[in-house]
Amino acid sequence: EPEVTQTPSHQVTQMGQEVILRCVPISNHLYFYWYRQILGQKVEFLVSFYNNEISEKSEIFDDQFSVERPDGSNFTLKIRSTKLEDSAMYFCASSLNKGYGYTFGSGTRLTVV
Amino acid sequence: SQQGEEDPQALSIQEGENATMNCSYKTSINNLQWYRQNSGRGLVHLILIRSNEREKHSGRLRVTLDTSKKSSSLLITASRAADTASYFCATGAYSGAGSYQLTFGKGTKLSVIP
Repeated sequence: EPEVTQTPSHQVTQMGQEVILRCVPISNHLYFYWYRQILGQKVEFLVSFYNNEISEKSEIFDDQFSVERPDGSNFTLKIRSTKLEDSAMYFCASSLNKGYGYTFGSGTRLTVV
Repeated sequence: SQQGEEDPQALSIQEGENATMNCSYKTSINNLQWYRQNSGRGLVHLILIRSNEREKHSGRLRVTLDTSKKSSSLLITASRAADTASYFCATGAYSGAGSYQLTFGKGTKLSVIP
């Protein structure tokens, strides 16, 4: 069964450093998403991406965040200057179309120290 | 906020029993989805029910949706130890601009005791 692949599975970074989280969505899916989950809390929407541009973003997704689809397969989330409160599990997801079920990756656990 | 809120927050049952989890939300939706998350893992899509549907089945899962009460329930019949996980409802809605957003609740932590 097709999967969404995320790398790395765990990343530790120092406060103020830039991190790039990588995702390979399912190949025929058109919509891509990033969500995050702070330990023990709810899953929060960050951004959705379609046709090479952001279609929606949350208040969390400020100027420190950016997304990119640099080629036909990868979808990345960049945090420019990490803060302690960015520590969370980051999930990438994709869907075939709007309103369909999402397929999530296994997540990247980001720890900012 | 259209965010779903699950009830109960935690549920512990014996293997073989049925588990029922409820979800309430506040605004109009286009569909409602249920996801499962095993500890420390990603979310797995279980079932999607559209706003014009009232009930849907998938294997041992049964989902109901009552748009008049803005609530949904997930029933897992004949539970197994492997069903131990957190279960999230997620409400899906289109915005005025035509984009679609899926918003998750806080989840119900289900423990099935062998």
